[in-house]
Amino acid sequence: AQSVSQHNHHVILSEAASLELGCNYSYGGTVNLFWYVQYPGQHLQLLLKYFSGDPLVKGIKGFEAEFIKSKFSFNLRKPSVQWSDTAEYFCAVNLVHNAGNMLTFGGGTRLMVKP
Amino acid sequence: SQTIHQWPATLVQPVGSPLSLECTVEGTSNPNLYWYRQAAGRGLQLLFYSVGIGQISSEVPQNLSASRPQDRQFILSSKKLLLSDSGFYLCAWSDRYEQYFGPGTRLTVT
Repeated sequence: AQSVSQHNHHVILSEAASLELGCNYSYGGTVNLFWYVQYPGQHLQLLLKYFSGDPLVKGIKGFEAEFIKSKFSFNLRKPSVQWSDTAEYFCAVNLVHNAGNMLTFGGGTRLMVKP
Repeated sequence: SQTIHQWPATLVQPVGSPLSLECTVEGTSNPNLYWYRQAAGRGLQLLFYSVGIGQISSEVPQNLSASRPQDRQFILSSKKLLLSDSGFYLCAWSDRYEQYFGPGTRLTVT
């Protein structure tokens, strides 16, 4: 079955530490990849996405992610986190050309950044 | 610009009571619409999606149903709630490229 795995369920970092959140997927076809973020009390919103081209994509607030096709991975990174990055992060995947544009989400990673 | 509304924001219902959650989208036409349930540590589970009026696909067997009576209206329902229906329900719409989420409804079944 198709699935998306986020191996870190909870991450606690101090401000200025570097962040890397793992995301692996199990799809056989061509995929689009997404990272969504949910700040406390706010809507789920898109952080960045990869459709094609340069496998290193940059998103809002200094986040970036790298698509490594051979590893079926799309890890999220930020060189120096801030307290305001405290949130829950979700990786999501959809198959290109799927009729409903449906996303499969990972289980999420709760990030807490200590000031 | 497009906006998505969900109501109510929070709901407490007894076991066995009916449920109706509403989602409406403004500023776009013929969107794909989705209902998700978000549970702690389990991410977002797709419950239903719709590619047009009256077209509903269910992703998981459950105690819930969905309807799309109008192009930009998506309703999640149940005839009799179970304790296990408690959770955070998110509606979303998509264009060709990404999904956009509503503010969610926190449902507590007591």
